[in-house]
Amino acid sequence: DGGITQSPKYLFRKEGQNVTLSCEQNLNHDAMYWYRQDPGQGLRLIYYSQIVNDFQKGDIAEGYSVSREKKESFPLTVTSAQKNPTAFYLCASSIQAGSLSGEQYFGPGTRLTVT
Amino acid sequence: AQSVTQLDSQVPVFEEAPVELRCNYSSSVSVYLFWYVQYPNQGLQLLLKYLSGSTLVKGINGFEAEFNKSQTSFHLRKPSVHISDTAEYFCAVISGGGADGLTFGKGTHLIIQP
Repeated sequence: DGGITQSPKYLFRKEGQNVTLSCEQNLNHDAMYWYRQDPGQGLRLIYYSQIVNDFQKGDIAEGYSVSREKKESFPLTVTSAQKNPTAFYLCASSIQAGSLSGEQYFGPGTRLTVT
Repeated sequence: AQSVTQLDSQVPVFEEAPVELRCNYSSSVSVYLFWYVQYPNQGLQLLLKYLSGSTLVKGINGFEAEFNKSQTSFHLRKPSVHISDTAEYFCAVISGGGADGLTFGKGTHLIIQP
């Protein structure tokens, strides 16, 4: 089955530690995205990548980093510089950025709790 | 720049009653509009989308939405809701070249009361 997988579903970390969230897709999509979701805030874009080895900052990139070494993978690292990392993180992909069909396909999300 | 406003953060409605979830957008160019649904602790699933053509769009689970360019709105409707429709609903817009992807509203929590 084609889709997007995110692992793990729940993640717990101590303050001051970096943590990497996994996102893999087998839809052969060029574009991938990371969003952060907080209650009452909707989805806010962290980073996006239109093609392998290229990515751009979204609205709230501070304290996060990404890589796109393979088309199917777009891991997100939450660094110790992120002041409020506890949130629900969603990964998405679309056929290509700049495509006006625009539809994004979402993974099941990772809930990160930092204490 | 594009933006989306979902006017209600929470909408309670009785089972089998009709519902409308409101969405307004702003953009200086042509837009394409989407409604997504999110069940608790899950990702988002596409309900329906407007790209062009008929302004009345039908989606999954009996939902429909109407694109109104003069009022810059894309309200979501269902004539009779079910308990299983309890979820968070997000309106989203893409415009211009689309390179920046979707802009989402803050969501509306639909609460179905028995």
